[in-house]
Amino acid sequence: TQLLEQSPQFLSIQEGENLTVYCNSSSVFSSLQWYRQEPGEGPVLLVTVVTGGEVKKLKRLTFQFGDARKDSSLHITAAQPGDTGLYLCAGTDSGYALNFGKGTSLLVTP
Amino acid sequence: EAEVAQSPRYKITEKSQAVAFWCDPISGHATLYWYRQILGQGPELLVQFQDESVVDDSQLPKDRFSAERLKGVDSTLKIQPAELGDSAMYLCASSLHDEQFFGPGTRLTVL
Repeated sequence: TQLLEQSPQFLSIQEGENLTVYCNSSSVFSSLQWYRQEPGEGPVLLVTVVTGGEVKKLKRLTFQFGDARKDSSLHITAAQPGDTGLYLCAGTDSGYALNFGKGTSLLVTP
Repeated sequence: EAEVAQSPRYKITEKSQAVAFWCDPISGHATLYWYRQILGQGPELLVQFQDESVVDDSQLPKDRFSAERLKGVDSTLKIQPAELGDSAMYLCASSLHDEQFFGPGTRLTVL
């Protein structure tokens, strides 16, 4: 099993602040996905990155895949209370099975 | 919009009882996954099906857990007997290629 470490584990910020969460591994992944999960619900896919160095933007969210395809980051600009949730990264090497990190729990207060 | 359906959403049971969870994947998705997510952790794969065949069940505790997808469409995950440590969210996901779509999960509490 390829381990993914996410940091920080918890993050509490005020509305309007910027933040970055990280997903690191010693293994190479063919693709890496970011999910957001709200309490009592299943994870919802935000983005998939497949190319080393790739940067994808989704409104105020910016995702980057490391050049060596071992790590990724998620940057949120001007966070809003609606961004509150558990952010999970997951990588796959083959066969489509995902290895998830433990997640970063984000709380954005008004 | 097509979604993965799961039932029940919540289940409370006593230890040593049997429980079963049901999942209906998005139509046409050949691959189906069952994950377990303990509070504060990320999901962990229990079993992966390709059509009706098991592709990976290496993390499934086979002494008490079983999963089937008889017709290659919907799937059932069973626990018998349930133990206190089985309390968790059980998530089902399906995929056509490499993007997985998750259902809302079944929250199991074992008393």
